[in-house]
Amino acid sequence: DVKVTQSSRYLVKRTGEKVFLECVQDMDHENMFWYRQDPGLGLRLIYFSYDVKMKEKGDIPEGYSVSREKKERFSLILESASTNQTSMYLCASSSLGGGGGPDTQYFGPGTRLTVL
Amino acid sequence: QKEVEQNSGPLSVPEGAIASLNCTYSDRGSQSFFWYRQYSGKSPELIMFIYSNGDKEDGRFTAQLNKASQYVSLLIRDSQPSDSATYLCAVRGSSASKIIFGSGTRLSIRP
Repeated sequence: DVKVTQSSRYLVKRTGEKVFLECVQDMDHENMFWYRQDPGLGLRLIYFSYDVKMKEKGDIPEGYSVSREKKERFSLILESASTNQTSMYLCASSSLGGGGGPDTQYFGPGTRLTVL
Repeated sequence: QKEVEQNSGPLSVPEGAIASLNCTYSDRGSQSFFWYRQYSGKSPELIMFIYSNGDKEDGRFTAQLNKASQYVSLLIRDSQPSDSATYLCAVRGSSASKIIFGSGTRLSIRP
């Protein structure tokens, strides 16, 4: 079974703090993604990566950065957290030709981040 | 126009009936189509994927794809209370760089 884990289920931070969200997958997937999910807005792609040290902006990259130093790990960084970044953050991974079909994304459990 | 559109619901269906969920997409060159189920407070999990026009069945679930009309649907037969969840439609467009998710349809199965 594909397993995607995220470092925290719940996180509370203060405005202006630097926040690190970590995601690890154990299926040797090439592709990894960070989304945020807000009521009424659905899943919105923040950043994605198709290879180690490679990253591409998604639809809402402002205020975020990412790091992928190893294939299995993809980190999302909030350089200076703001209240409008309070959200559910979901990491996903996928691999072309995977058992669920190409492009199937497998999600981690999510991190609910609250910025006060 | 949103790239992937779903009716937000809630869609209320009696137990044992067929639930029909619909999704339309704007990119005519889209290649891959997915249905995910998301329970409240949980992350999305894949139910089905479909690439070719027509129907694809898996147990109580049937995905239907019509590329000419640019819609994909999910039918759930013999609906159970455990099917109550939000269903997300996802589409990989012709650019092949990412998958676009709809905002989801909330389904409620009433006993």
